[in-house]
Amino acid sequence: QQQVKQSPQSLIVQKGGIPIINCAYENTAFDYFPWYQQFPGKGPALLIAIRPDVSEKKEGRFTISFNKSAKQFSLHIMDSQPGDSATYFCAASKSTGRRALTFGSGTRLQVQP
Amino acid sequence: GAVVSQHPSRVICKSGTSVKIECRSLDFQATTMFWYRQFPKQSLMLMATSNEGSKATYEQGVEKDKFLINHASLTLSTLTVTSAHPEDSSFYICSARAGGLTDTQYFGPGTRLTVL
Repeated sequence: QQQVKQSPQSLIVQKGGIPIINCAYENTAFDYFPWYQQFPGKGPALLIAIRPDVSEKKEGRFTISFNKSAKQFSLHIMDSQPGDSATYFCAASKSTGRRALTFGSGTRLQVQP
Repeated sequence: GAVVSQHPSRVICKSGTSVKIECRSLDFQATTMFWYRQFPKQSLMLMATSNEGSKATYEQGVEKDKFLINHASLTLSTLTVTSAHPEDSSFYICSARAGGLTDTQYFGPGTRLTVL
């Protein structure tokens, strides 16, 4: 059972554009939602994370929007650059027990010069 | 951010041999370490969770006798792929979480395993 659904699968934007990646979760027990960036052949790197008690969080050019009632959250990348071209994964976990992450399927972002 | 290392970064072995992959948290103590497997252009699939000094918890469908995990200290976990076969070829990634209330997982750079 896929508990975190991510879309789109791939995304192409022009430099300076604002790509938006969406995720939806099913398990209402999830209360920690991070986003990771992964370059080919590398491990994922944490970008930003949010908890359900806030609707938006911004760190640098990265913003998470969170809609608890809809069980959805999204990543916005402001002023995107070619160096942002990577695969982005959303994830979710519970803050109790093993705290294992459930990952979305990933979005391959290409930012064209 | 915290640093997690993996060794080796890539390994090629013959079918039937065993391969050990190390995961180290370099600047923090990791109460919990996780092992993931990633196939090309796919997401990360959790294989197992390990806590220092206790047996690992394996995800459904992961053979514990095939993938041996040892979390011997708060900074080191190892994954041993026993009697490797070509279908075990994959990208193996570990992550580490410090203790307490933090949920943040820091990932290692991954190990590319190719079984001939």
